[in-house]
Amino acid sequence: AQKVTQAQTEISVVEKEDVTLDCVYETRDTTYYLFWYKQPPSGELVFLIRRNSFDEQNEISGRYSWNFQKSTSSFNFTITASQVVDSAVYFCALSEVIYNFNKFYFGSGTKLNVKP
Amino acid sequence: DVKVTQSSRYLVKRTGEKVFLECVQDMDHENMFWYRQDPGLGLRLIYFSYDVKMKEKGDIPEGYSVSREKKERFSLILESASTNQTSMYLCASSFPGLAGAQETQYFGPGTRLLVL
Repeated sequence: AQKVTQAQTEISVVEKEDVTLDCVYETRDTTYYLFWYKQPPSGELVFLIRRNSFDEQNEISGRYSWNFQKSTSSFNFTITASQVVDSAVYFCALSEVIYNFNKFYFGSGTKLNVKP
Repeated sequence: DVKVTQSSRYLVKRTGEKVFLECVQDMDHENMFWYRQDPGLGLRLIYFSYDVKMKEKGDIPEGYSVSREKKERFSLILESASTNQTSMYLCASSFPGLAGAQETQYFGPGTRLLVL
């Protein structure tokens, strides 16, 4: 079974629209970490945020916000007033401890197209 | 800032060739990883290393090997390239946390490999 599901394969919005990228995860661990990465057309994955399983506070960073809900095993990412530069593939990831190693499980990614 | 570099952005090789993909990080990270990224599949772990000369298989190690002779350098080797190894290859590194502790992976720009 997939550990991390990003059901939205591709989303297209017009600049200045708000957009939410969904992420649902599956784990039996009580301690785990969740991440979002951005992959612009250049290819490099850029780290955006890390949350641990004990901190359910929502986080806001500029136009970006994240909603972590353990009850629904979701860690959604919202971009407010989207811009063309937000166009990228966004990956959600779950990190679990396997022995002494933190293994990452990535979702399949959501491609966001922001049109001017 | 963490810097992870990969020796080539684009490579074209022929079936049966031996291919070396190099990755270097400058942050003294113990852990290094090789992933491949394919459309619709997200990132899949090929191999990882948690110390010099140490290596562990990931989820899809078949057809690949790795080498870690120095802490900063992690090489992925395709012994005999095949067309189904055409993909985007991403290297990452991280500083190991204690079990359960945070451990963010930082990625290089990726190498797009085409095997003809």
